[in-house]
Amino acid sequence: DTGVSQNPRHKITKRGQNVTFRCDPISEHNRLYWYRQTLGQGPEFLTYFQNEAQLEKSRLLSDRFSAERPKGSFSTLEIQRTEQGDSAMYLCASSPSPEETQYFGPGTRLLVL
Amino acid sequence: AQSVAQPEDQVNVAEGNPLTVKCTYSVSGNPYLFWYVQYPNRGLQFLLKYITGDNLVKGSYGFEAEFNKSQTSFHLKKPSALVSDSALYFCAVRVMNSGYSTLTFGKGTMLLVSP
Repeated sequence: DTGVSQNPRHKITKRGQNVTFRCDPISEHNRLYWYRQTLGQGPEFLTYFQNEAQLEKSRLLSDRFSAERPKGSFSTLEIQRTEQGDSAMYLCASSPSPEETQYFGPGTRLLVL
Repeated sequence: AQSVAQPEDQVNVAEGNPLTVKCTYSVSGNPYLFWYVQYPNRGLQFLLKYITGDNLVKGSYGFEAEFNKSQTSFHLKKPSALVSDSALYFCAVRVMNSGYSTLTFGKGTMLLVSP
């Protein structure tokens, strides 16, 4: 399977704990995006990487959130001191260029108790 | 600001009947429009896109969409619905920024196809 993969698929954590999610994009794609989807809403943009460089962050991305893409391959999204409001589906997408279609992974569903 | 509206939270249709899922958009400049489908507990699957050219765009699984510039609409259609088409459908517009693009999504429309 050469699609976008994400791990874990589900994560349950207690408020205040740190969590980290991983995204493996399609191998030829040097653009990588993170989105967040809450219940009843469409996905909302969080951050964008071109190769290893994080070029844009949404205002939705508070200081507790950090994302990395070492060596321009997989990416990680870390949430520190989780809050109940962080409960959502976190989606990763990749594309070969800004003009090309973004292809999404299956998402990581986070539940903060 | 770019935006997308999906006026229907849910669309119900009987299997074998034609279906339409509505989408209207607001953009500055030329619109780049997309439809994605999401099955339960899954990510988004790309269905089709409009960039330029023919106003009728054909996509995966027999879906098509009609771009209407005067009505700023991009409705998703299928001539004959299947029960397996039941899912959440999202319309999106691509927003071009300085050297990168993001997608702005509508809230989604749940399509329920009854046997």
